Amino acid sequence: GEDVEQSLFLSVREGDSSVINCTYTDSSSTYLYWYKQEPGAGLQLLTYIFSNMDMKQDQRLTVLLNKKDKHLSLRIADTQTGDSAIYFCAEILSGGYNKLIFGAGTRLAVHP
Amino acid sequence: GAVVSQHPSRVICKSGTSVKIECRSLDFQATTMFWYRQFPKKSLMLMATSNEGSKATYEQGVEKDKFLINHASLTLSTLTVTSAHPEDSSFYICSAHGGPGETQYFGPGTRLLVL
Repeated sequence: GEDVEQSLFLSVREGDSSVINCTYTDSSSTYLYWYKQEPGAGLQLLTYIFSNMDMKQDQRLTVLLNKKDKHLSLRIADTQTGDSAIYFCAEILSGGYNKLIFGAGTRLAVHP
Repeated sequence: GAVVSQHPSRVICKSGTSVKIECRSLDFQATTMFWYRQFPKKSLMLMATSNEGSKATYEQGVEKDKFLINHASLTLSTLTVTSAHPEDSSFYICSAHGGPGETQYFGPGTRLLVL
């Protein structure tokens, strides 16, 4: 079945890098996504990566994709207190349904 | 681009009443919209997929008569929680598929509290 797994919690010091990891199951997923959710808000699309790419960099964000291991990671450089949020990894189901399967979310806490 | 709005952002209602939540894609057309429910500190649970001009597809365990979905146009989908009960209290989030990257863009969510 479809399953996306993430660690639930990550704590980092302000200014350090954060790395959030995710594993997924559908090897046919064309895109993989990272969303950010701040308290009481909806989800904000942070970045996405096409499945034929290994890496995508967007300012402080770096996404690494290991298709063989079905492993996705999000690195946030120079983590700030404003980065504190829940980060969801998601894969899009193959088959044209446009359905996203979400992980449980990783709560990132940034402390001084 | 790719902005999705929801209205209302927060609603409190009495048990037994019905509540309608609107989801709009403001700057792109969305043939498919999705409705999710999120419990505190939990991930999103997909409730149904809404396609413009056709009946919604509900996920297993979601009562279609309780959660009525209408997708009347390419920019608007509505979710009506009928005969609401306290256990329906939750955070409801919609998303619209389309826009840059052809992915889902999420609304800000509607917090429903049923007394």
